[in-house]
Amino acid sequence: GAVVSQHPSRVICKSGTSVKIECRSLDFQATTMFWYRQFPKQSLMLMATSNEGSKATYEQGVEKDKFLINHASLTLSTLTVTSAHPEDSSFYICSARPGQGAGEQFFGPGTRLTVL
Amino acid sequence: QKEVEQNSGPLSVPEGAIASLNCTYSDRGSQSFFWYRQYSGKSPELIMSIYSNGDKEDGRFTAQLNKASQYVSLLIRDSQPSDSATYLCAVTGAGRRALTFGSGTRLQVQP
Repeated sequence: GAVVSQHPSRVICKSGTSVKIECRSLDFQATTMFWYRQFPKQSLMLMATSNEGSKATYEQGVEKDKFLINHASLTLSTLTVTSAHPEDSSFYICSARPGQGAGEQFFGPGTRLTVL
Repeated sequence: QKEVEQNSGPLSVPEGAIASLNCTYSDRGSQSFFWYRQYSGKSPELIMSIYSNGDKEDGRFTAQLNKASQYVSLLIRDSQPSDSATYLCAVTGAGRRALTFGSGTRLQVQP
């Protein structure tokens, strides 16, 4: 399958700081990438759809000013958690799909964020 | 009603047995169906995709889709302890490119 990377894999920060997470498609171009969040013992919840060259589409209840998404190229999307608080501690996972349509999506390895 | 429903389990099977995982979905316009495996602390890994009614086999895995019943299943033959994980059913619908996930079924394969 296609390869998606994420960086960093783990981050611990103080409350109030901002954290940037990168998601890269390594062997394909992705006009669309997706950002999910997963709390312990829960399923993945879609946060936003990242569109190359345009604004991201956020799911209901997700604050666009807090979770900034930039998709500047066909292989890179970034998620910035601004002014992080302990309740933002979670497992953040991105995914990307080669091509258009409703085909297979491949996930990055995830970023575990802990806000102290 | 949840959009994608799965029994949370745990489903416990002995090594070598067939594990049967089930999923139902509510959107009749759903077009693409996926099974992901997720080990604890890791991100999901794609196991199978299925787009049309019937069975699709890949090694020890068989996905089954019945759109009339809005039902998709995953069979794992000759289950191994390494298959112990949470299996996530995911669906995309008409006009929606993002995946909608079920809550997952935890599978335990007993040696």
